[in-house]
Amino acid sequence: GESVGLHLPTLSVQEGDNSIINCAYSNSASDYFIWYKQESGKGPQFIIDIRSNMDKRQGQRVTVLLNKTVKHLSLQIAATQPGDSAVYFCAENLKPGNTDKLIFGTGTRLQVFP
Amino acid sequence: GAGVSQSPSNKVTEKGKDVELRCDPISGHTALYWYRQSLGQGLEFLIYFQGNSAPDKSGLPSDRFSAERTGGSVSTLTIQRTQQEDSAVYLCASSSQGIGSPLHFGNGTRLTVT
Repeated sequence: GESVGLHLPTLSVQEGDNSIINCAYSNSASDYFIWYKQESGKGPQFIIDIRSNMDKRQGQRVTVLLNKTVKHLSLQIAATQPGDSAVYFCAENLKPGNTDKLIFGTGTRLQVFP
Repeated sequence: GAGVSQSPSNKVTEKGKDVELRCDPISGHTALYWYRQSLGQGLEFLIYFQGNSAPDKSGLPSDRFSAERTGGSVSTLTIQRTQQEDSAVYLCASSSQGIGSPLHFGNGTRLTVT
């Protein structure tokens, strides 16, 4: 069935380096994508979103890139900090313009070491 | 401002018992979602409410699961005759207008069925 997956289950980066978390999605009709950050014991926290009519969107220290040709989504975190350590999920709107149902990937754990 | 509130934060129950999980969405948010997250896993969609429309129940895993949303605000997720495989964190989220606006999650209810 349709699914959202991630290439790397765990990513370790040094403090100050840039992080790139990748996500592959399978539904070419999806028109809305979101990245969430989840810290232990907490609910997912919204980071940034992007619509399918865009290929790049920037926030504070974060950038989301969307490549519809290969159905790939990435989250770039600049100058990674210890507080960025968490599990990151991408999500897609499985039925655009019809049913509002976000499907989440299994997550990537980001570990930041000094 | 107040975020999504879920109660209880933890619930331990015996196999076969019924449980009710409560979600108070952000005031004014018309869309409400329930997701389930097993240990170390991604988020599994359960049910979605949008305004006065019929809920999307397509993610409920069995007829032991049901949810209500009274007055377009508070929602209750009920699990009847709980099984050990129901043990998970149950997350509630709300958004101001469904897809196109990000979901805001509560911290979840951790359900343990013994």
